[in-house]
Amino acid sequence: NAGVTQTPKFQVLKTGQSMTLQCAQDMNHNSMYWYRQDPGMGLRLIYYSASEGTTDKGEVPNGYNVSRLNKREFSLRLESAAPSQTSVYFCASTAGGLTDTQYFGPGTRLTVL
Amino acid sequence: GENVEQHPSTLSVQEGDSAVIKCTYSDSASNYFPWYKQELGKRPQLIIDIRSNVGEKKDQRIAVTLNKTAKHFSLHITETQPEDSAVYFCAASISGYSTLTFGKGTMLLVSP
Repeated sequence: NAGVTQTPKFQVLKTGQSMTLQCAQDMNHNSMYWYRQDPGMGLRLIYYSASEGTTDKGEVPNGYNVSRLNKREFSLRLESAAPSQTSVYFCASTAGGLTDTQYFGPGTRLTVL
Repeated sequence: GENVEQHPSTLSVQEGDSAVIKCTYSDSASNYFPWYKQELGKRPQLIIDIRSNVGEKKDQRIAVTLNKTAKHFSLHITETQPEDSAVYFCAASISGYSTLTFGKGTMLLVSP
């Protein structure tokens, strides 16, 4: 049981490039989330998917898109990366409701030059 | 929306001392308050949570207290150990209705 996995672990992009961050969970959880973590800013929600087939914006959605591919997978896409998107990105999942225990992935450290 | 303020941003204690981290929230409808611990380079993990129907919850050396009237809640760690060194995040939400809003974190340093 791997829990929540993310790929890649590290990525360096140039301004304007695009990329997709992948997240998968094997716990049969219903809800999945994408956060970004910046120094002194805590964890800020980008997008979430309360259940398969639904996605909703969080606190900081601009510049990002998401896809809930199936119950296991939730991807985050940067269409045209900007230096302001340099951050550590965490995926998380919860079994049922939005206030169940969040299980986080190991994170992706993204640098945009 | 909900706003969560967390203090202090850094806290240094000697091993064996107690540590207290405080959070305030803005939405009086919030009723779920978890605390997450993030060790350096690792992922956040839930350490304790409290719901609004109780005022205090303990788990070994860790306790959380909630004052709904004042809209604040606190994490208490007793007999701190070096392995308690980490960043701690509080969060708040309305159970079953809203996503978590996190505080900005407190870096706790426990010196041997």
